[in-house]
Amino acid sequence: DVKVTQSSRYLVKRTGEKVFLECVQDMDHENMFWYRQDPGLGLRLIYFSYDVKMKEKGDIPEGYSVSREKKERFSLILESASTNQTSMYLCASSPRGGTEAFFGQGTRLTVV
Amino acid sequence: AQSVSQHNHHVILSEAASLELGCNYSYGGTVNLFWYVQYPGQHLQLLLKYFSGDPLVKGIKGFEAEFIKSKFSFNLRKPSVQWSDTAEYFCAVNTYNAGNNRKLIWGLGTSLAVNP
Repeated sequence: DVKVTQSSRYLVKRTGEKVFLECVQDMDHENMFWYRQDPGLGLRLIYFSYDVKMKEKGDIPEGYSVSREKKERFSLILESASTNQTSMYLCASSPRGGTEAFFGQGTRLTVV
Repeated sequence: AQSVSQHNHHVILSEAASLELGCNYSYGGTVNLFWYVQYPGQHLQLLLKYFSGDPLVKGIKGFEAEFIKSKFSFNLRKPSVQWSDTAEYFCAVNTYNAGNNRKLIWGLGTSLAVNP
């Protein structure tokens, strides 16, 4: 059974903290993605990666960075968390041909 | 710019009613089309997809969708909904790239509530 695992389901962090969200996939997929999901705004792409050490900005990269040192792991970093980054964060992966994206359970981040 | 438009943001139905959720996209080239579903508290999962061939696609749980190229549409249908279909539904388009389909373009989602 294919799996995308996000390290935390719920996180509460303070404003200004550096936050790491981790995602691991076991399907040997080349592509990995980070989205945030907010009510009424759908899924917005933050960053994506199509290979190890490669990354590309999505639609809303400001305030975020990513790291992909190994094929199976894609990390999202909030350099200095702010309250407007309170959201549900979704990680996904897909094979190179992009036939289907597989999603993790999501991390609900609250910044106080 | 490429975009996906879902016509209904919130839909409320009674059990056994028929469902049709609209999805239109703006892109003139070859597309792959998807419907994803997110049940309460669960991860997004694929409902059905269209890549080529028969434009009427059947997915899981009795859902189907029809690709109408001339209308740039990919509407989702189910003849008779159940309470368990209560979920958020997302339409997505993946523009074809021979080397690497890198990202999906998403609609804003439709929240479906089915009353028992």
